[in-house]
This record gives sequence, C-alpha cells and structure tokens, in this order.
Amino acid sequence: DTAVSQTPKYLVTQMGNDKSIKCEQNLGHDTMYWYKQDSKKFLKIMFSYNNKELIINETVPNRFSPKSPDKAHLNLHINSLELGDSAVYFCASSQAKRPQETQYFGPGTRLLVL
Amino acid sequence: GQNIDQPTEMTATEGAIVQINCTYQTSGFNGLFWYQQHAGEAPTFLSYNVLDGLEEKGRFSSFLSRSKGYSYLLLKELQMKDSASYLCAVRDWNSGNTPLVFGKGTRLSVIA
Repeated sequence: DTAVSQTPKYLVTQMGNDKSIKCEQNLGHDTMYWYKQDSKKFLKIMFSYNNKELIINETVPNRFSPKSPDKAHLNLHINSLELGDSAVYFCASSQAKRPQETQYFGPGTRLLVL
Repeated sequence: GQNIDQPTEMTATEGAIVQINCTYQTSGFNGLFWYQQHAGEAPTFLSYNVLDGLEEKGRFSSFLSRSKGYSYLLLKELQMKDSASYLCAVRDWNSGNTPLVFGKGTRLSVIA
C-alpha cells in the first residue's frame, strides 16, 4: 500500500537516449510534482500539476516533458539525455486545499547518464 | 529571489541535543517544513510551522520566528539512527499546490 511509487528505481542509460519515469500516488491527492536532487543533494522543483493541468514549470530544458494522464499519475519523459541529467528524480504529491499538509515523496529514481 | 540557508554539516554525540538552524528570505510565506532524508532514501516529513512559536513532537521540536525569517529544528536524546540530512523547506504562496522551496540540507552525523 505504497503512497507514492515511482518506476524504475534505477536507470542507467547512454547519452542521447530517450527515457521515461513513471509516478503514481494512491493518496487521492490532486497535485503532483517532480523534483530533481543533484549530486550536492539540492532538491529543486521542476514541474507541478494540479488536476492533470500544468501549473508550474520551472526553468527546465524542453527536453523534459511531463504528462499527467489522470490525477493519480504524473510521468516524466526525457529526450536526448545529457550527462548533466544524472541525478535523483523525486515525485511528490499533496492536496491543494490543505496547505498545512505535507508533500509525500516517492522513493526516487536514480538516473545515471553515461 | 528566494533564499534558504542552513549549515552544511553538523556532528553531535549520541544522547545529546542538537539544534539545526534555518534562515529564509522568500517572496511570500505560508509555512515552513522540516524533512529528514536518510542516504539513498526519500525525504520524510518531520514538522510544520506556520505560526510563531515552538511545535513539539516527541524527541523533535521545531521553532519559527516569521519576523526574523528564522526556524530551528531541535533533536533531543540523539540516537545513531538520527544520522541523516535535515531539509528546511518553505511554501511561499497561500496554496496547498505550491511546491516547496528547499534549503540545501544539513547533514547530521551522530557519533558514539
């Protein structure tokens, strides 16, 4: 009964490839996020979706394209992977009408681009 | 701009008390969160402050002063398992769907 799940947990790939990371939450939340955590452990927002609609898109290369087929899923597709994309990507979710409620994080996807 | 500062590393002894400070400068403020992150794992929620004062939860307490843009996380009776990174995060808009702005985290090492 995992609250926020991500697949795959590890992803090793060559530069130039295209890959996808999937995220699902079973908490009934209406907002989902993608964060990137770099080698210095700095956690930074990439995208935020509310009820399947994009509400925040930080300065992220357009090689990154999120897709939300429904409120419970937010996938991240990355085109033409670069060495600098190597990081841990965390999905998270929260409920918009409860600002005091924390965001729940998935276990992370460790991406290594060779 | 937004800026959240916390010390990079701290070391403390098992059984002791440690205080991890966080200062923030954000365009708005609607709550400050503390998260714990063990190596190789996801951040997990520890505490939330939106009003000034101290919130206590077992061995962990968190304090907030909005006028000073300052918070601290207090860990008592330290245990070895408390060795982790502690992330301070601010929600800068009055909406539950606003992503959090994180500090760079404080890596705490608990030694015997």
